[in-house]
Amino acid sequence: AQTVTQSQPEMSVQEAETVTLSCTYDTSENNYYLFWYKQPPSRQMILVIRQEAYKQQNATENRFSVNFQKAAKSFSLKISDSQLGDTAMYFCAFMEAQAGTALIFGKGTTLSVSS
Amino acid sequence: AAGVIQSPRHLIKEKRETATLKCYPIPRHDTVYWYQQGPGQDPQFLISFYEKMQSDKGSIPDRFSAQQFSDYHSELNMSSLELGDSALYFCASSLVSGGPYNEQFFGPGTRLTVL
Repeated sequence: AQTVTQSQPEMSVQEAETVTLSCTYDTSENNYYLFWYKQPPSRQMILVIRQEAYKQQNATENRFSVNFQKAAKSFSLKISDSQLGDTAMYFCAFMEAQAGTALIFGKGTTLSVSS
Repeated sequence: AAGVIQSPRHLIKEKRETATLKCYPIPRHDTVYWYQQGPGQDPQFLISFYEKMQSDKGSIPDRFSAQQFSDYHSELNMSSLELGDSALYFCASSLVSGGPYNEQFFGPGTRLTVL
């Protein structure tokens, strides 16, 4: 069974600084997807960024980028120029590359951005 | 753009009562997923449906059942409610045949409180 581990329960950063959230996963699959979701106090689940396992190039979305190390089964999220609105719970998630399969989430990292 | 609709948004029930949660996927999406998120927890996959057939099953209690109807909306039926069923229930939808990501779009959730 696949597992996702986020080893940092809480992180804090000041505005405009850069922060990196860690995520490791375990799978025997070769083809899969990885995601970072943001859950602000409103509890809405918002997709931040996604990565296909077959792509070597790291995904980027504006201030958000990932460091995907397939051999090490590592998938970290870097947030540059942190903003107060980035304050949220961040979940790393894994999904097999099969139709209709579930997302498997890590336990989450609470990120606090202060001014 | 249309999003996933969940109703009701809030629900309060007594122990041993029954609850029905409804989910209306994004138009043309063919797959629906249900997740349960307890307080301070990560979302846990319950069940999914593709083209009205169950496609994947997670840690869904036997007291719960779900189905997807001909118009693609889905209902999660929960009977003999327990205090531990108090949680945020997310529905997500995706278009399985629509691309490589099978991205799941989340609804706002239904907050169930069991007293």
